[in-house]
Amino acid sequence: TQLLEQSPQFLSIQEGENLTVYCNSSSVFSSLQWYRQEPGEGPVLLVTVVTGGEVKKLKRLTFQFGDARKDSSLHITAAQTGDTGLYLCAGAGQAGTALIFGKGTTLSVSS
Amino acid sequence: DAGVIQSPRHEVTEMGQEVTLRCKPISGHDYLFWYRQTMMRGLELLIYFNNNVPIDDSGMPEDRFSAKMPNASFSTLKIQPSEPRDSAVYFCASSLWQGDQPQHFGDGTRLSIL
Repeated sequence: TQLLEQSPQFLSIQEGENLTVYCNSSSVFSSLQWYRQEPGEGPVLLVTVVTGGEVKKLKRLTFQFGDARKDSSLHITAAQTGDTGLYLCAGAGQAGTALIFGKGTTLSVSS
Repeated sequence: DAGVIQSPRHEVTEMGQEVTLRCKPISGHDYLFWYRQTMMRGLELLIYFNNNVPIDDSGMPEDRFSAKMPNASFSTLKIQPSEPRDSAVYFCASSLWQGDQPQHFGDGTRLSIL
């Protein structure tokens, strides 16, 4: 069974700080997606990384896919209160199988 | 462009009652997914459909849960009889196809079984 472990589970920081959250697995994924979920809403896709070692930037967010395609990280520079939410990673495995979601990192950014 | 639409947004009912959750996927999407989200277990896949056909229902917790997709624009998740441990947020999502295609989620149904 493929599993995705996310860490930390909870993170509470001040506005302006930098942070990194991690998504790890012992399995190889063909691609990995990151979603953000705000209270009362469904998850919304932020980015998909496909190639081992790939780095993608979305404004202050930097996503990296591990060389072996087993892990990924999300780095946020100068966090803002609007970054508050649940960050979920999801791995795509074999063709025809559903996405595997991690349990998420709950980020709270206070001013 | 309308997203995934779920109804109701909130449901409070007593244990033993039948609960029906509804979902309208994005037009043209071939895949539909039902998830359950709790603090303890995170986002769990219950069942998914491809072209209205159930593909994998291994995540459905018990026979009390059933899901149907009578056509490409409508799906239901039914719990009968409901129990307090079924309380959770239930999400429906749709996507164009499997693999690295993004899933588009509805805003969920918050279900409370008393």
